Amino acid sequence: GNSVTQMEGPVTLSEEAFLTINCTYTATGYPSLFWYVQYPGEGLQLLLKATKADDKGSNKGFEATYRKETTSFHLEKGSVQVSDSAVYFCALSRSGGATNKLIFGTGTLLAVQP
Amino acid sequence: DAGITQSPRHKVTETGTPVTLRCHQTENHRYMYWYRQDPGHGLRLIHYSYGVKDTDKGEVSDGYSVSRSKTEDFLLTLESATSSQTSVYFCAISELKQQVDTQYFGPGTRLTVL
Repeated sequence: GNSVTQMEGPVTLSEEAFLTINCTYTATGYPSLFWYVQYPGEGLQLLLKATKADDKGSNKGFEATYRKETTSFHLEKGSVQVSDSAVYFCALSRSGGATNKLIFGTGTLLAVQP
Repeated sequence: DAGITQSPRHKVTETGTPVTLRCHQTENHRYMYWYRQDPGHGLRLIHYSYGVKDTDKGEVSDGYSVSRSKTEDFLLTLESATSSQTSVYFCAISELKQQVDTQYFGPGTRLTVL
C-alpha cells in the first residue's frame, strides 16, 4: 500500500546549522509529494510541494527534490533559525474515490537552539 | 489563508456523551476533510466530503459520523465519545493550485474525553 516514512525525531540543531529531514515513500503510480510544517499550538501549513520526478519544491529557504529512483523527498535547509523550530510532516497524495487523499508520515520535531 | 475556522478550539467531555465539532470555510471549496492527529501516527483521515450531502469514509472512520448540509460547513460527530477519541482534530479543504490538488488546514480542535 501507500505509505510515508520519516526519520525519527527530535532533531536538535544549533542556529545556522544545515538541516536534513529524511522522507521516503511507497506508492503506486506517480503521487504528488508535500512537506507541511506545524508550529507549536497551530495547524499545519503547506511548506512546499512537488508533482513529478526531479521537481524541486522550495519555500522560505527550505528545499526538497522528488527522487523517483530512491523514492525519497528529503527536506533541506542551509542555515536554520530558532524560528524554524516546529514539527515537519512529509505527505503523499494518492487518488482514490472522489478525491485525492493525503498519506502522512509521523512527523519530525525540529528544535533549533540559539 | 484558506479561510477555515474550527469550533470549539478546545473541549473536555465525558465518556459516553455526544460531541460535535464544526468546520467552517468561507471560500466555497467543494472538498472538505476531517483528520485526527495523534503522537506516532501523524494525521489520519476520518471522513471527507466532495459536496453537499456527499461524504465518504477515511481510514479511521469507526465511531465518527459527518454531515454537510451546506457548502461552508462540515460537521464531525462523535455519537458516544470514548477515551480513545482524545486527540487533536483538523479540518482541511483542497484547492487546485498550479494543477496540483493541495490541502489547507484549519487551526485544530483539541478534544479530551475523560
